[in-house]
Amino acid sequence: QVQLVQSGAEVKMPGASVKVSCKASGYTFTNYDISWVRQAPGQGLEWMGWISGYYDNTNYVQKFQGRLTMTTDTSTSTAYMELRSLRSDDTAVYYCARDQRSRGIPLDYWGQGTLVTVSS
Amino acid sequence: DIVMTQSPDSLAVSLGEGATINCKSSQSVLYSSNNKNYIGWYQQKPGQPPKLLIHWASTRESGVPDRFSGSGSGTDFTLTISSLQAEDVAVYYCQQYYGTPPTFGQGTKVEIK
Repeated sequence: QVQLVQSGAEVKMPGASVKVSCKASGYTFTNYDISWVRQAPGQGLEWMGWISGYYDNTNYVQKFQGRLTMTTDTSTSTAYMELRSLRSDDTAVYYCARDQRSRGIPLDYWGQGTLVTVSS
Repeated sequence: DIVMTQSPDSLAVSLGEGATINCKSSQSVLYSSNNKNYIGWYQQKPGQPPKLLIHWASTRESGVPDRFSGSGSGTDFTLTISSLQAEDVAVYYCQQYYGTPPTFGQGTKVEIK
């Protein structure tokens, strides 16, 4: 069965960086894309960006340009999301999700989420 | 960016009664080449990730109970729960994936009256 398993919770100081991993299983990793979505405490869902499963093409929301990097390691079927220059308003649960928009299906499987807390 | 607006923000429904959630997009999300509306509906229970219920505005995912149905076209869409069950208490989100970035509505909280 399809599973996306994310790394554990992180606590970071303002200005630091965080790198969250998302290990996929149950499907051919390179045949599907991965999106990252975040959810601030008590708030709604915010799409951050996307990375293709094979060619490493990426697309980031403008507000994160310059401090967000998404990568994949196809040898381990793992996607990574790194966010730099963290601020208190980056405190959120970060989700990875399998993205089939190219096939007309949105985010069909999600990781369990990773809580990133930014606090001094 | 396409703006998605849901209504109401919350609703309370008696067990066994129907619930209707509306979602409006700021521009059409109908793809003319395949006549599909690029709208998804998600259910999020407390402490859990979102779960995809419906794509293409009305196509239920495998395993989703048939009391959940989606309808609409162009800019106006609806998620209907025909007979609310206790396990349906959740926040529901619509999402357009016609444009990039894909954008979500603000969510509708469904509770038991």
